[in-house]
Amino acid sequence: DSGVTQTPKHLITATGQRVTLRCSPRSGDLSVYWYQQSLDQGLQFLIQYYNGEERAKGNILERFSAQQFPDLHSELNLSSLELGDSALYFCASSIQTGAYGYTFGSGTRLTVV
Amino acid sequence: AQSVTQLGSHVSVSEGALVLLRCNYSSSVPPYLFWYVQYPNQGLQLLLKYTSAATLVKGINGFEAEFKKSETSFHLTKPSAHMSDAAEYFCAVSDRGSRLTFGEGTQLTVNP
Repeated sequence: DSGVTQTPKHLITATGQRVTLRCSPRSGDLSVYWYQQSLDQGLQFLIQYYNGEERAKGNILERFSAQQFPDLHSELNLSSLELGDSALYFCASSIQTGAYGYTFGSGTRLTVV
Repeated sequence: AQSVTQLGSHVSVSEGALVLLRCNYSSSVPPYLFWYVQYPNQGLQLLLKYTSAATLVKGINGFEAEFKKSETSFHLTKPSAHMSDAAEYFCAVSDRGSRLTFGEGTQLTVNP
């Protein structure tokens, strides 16, 4: 157990729907990062939050959004889902805002049908 | 912009043989470099990291990597492979900012 908790572990939904993925960072970590892992794109950085504020944005689609709450857990919202959004979505956390090495959760596998 | 190239998407070794997974990076600033391992249906686990201290970095499970600036490389090695080392390995680079940029991954197979 890495200490980073992601729920749900698996999610199957239909095209056009909206889903929310949840991440609880390791105790004491202030930064949360979201990554997407797919066969064709590999591991892609989506977005980072630090202590409730957005710090960096990567290849995140406009249909996707995220936030970090006062208790430091984070949610990634994916809307108007397409077949190509099927992927593993990882959350990672770290104490600082710099990339000194993250701790990853076990991921949410999203399947869009 | 920073990038990582992992040479060889699949590497196969015999149990007890040397493991060598290759990683070359590109970065406009002195980089931080990382190796992660991913076992099936699991997240990524940090094996080791280089953050501008010693160029030879030792990690978990007997792995080590050497930062070579002149070759822009950060290859991962283990003297003797074990069956439990079979997994996918990712090299990653950071420009000391917020994000890690990952390579495409190398699938390591260990044959008995």
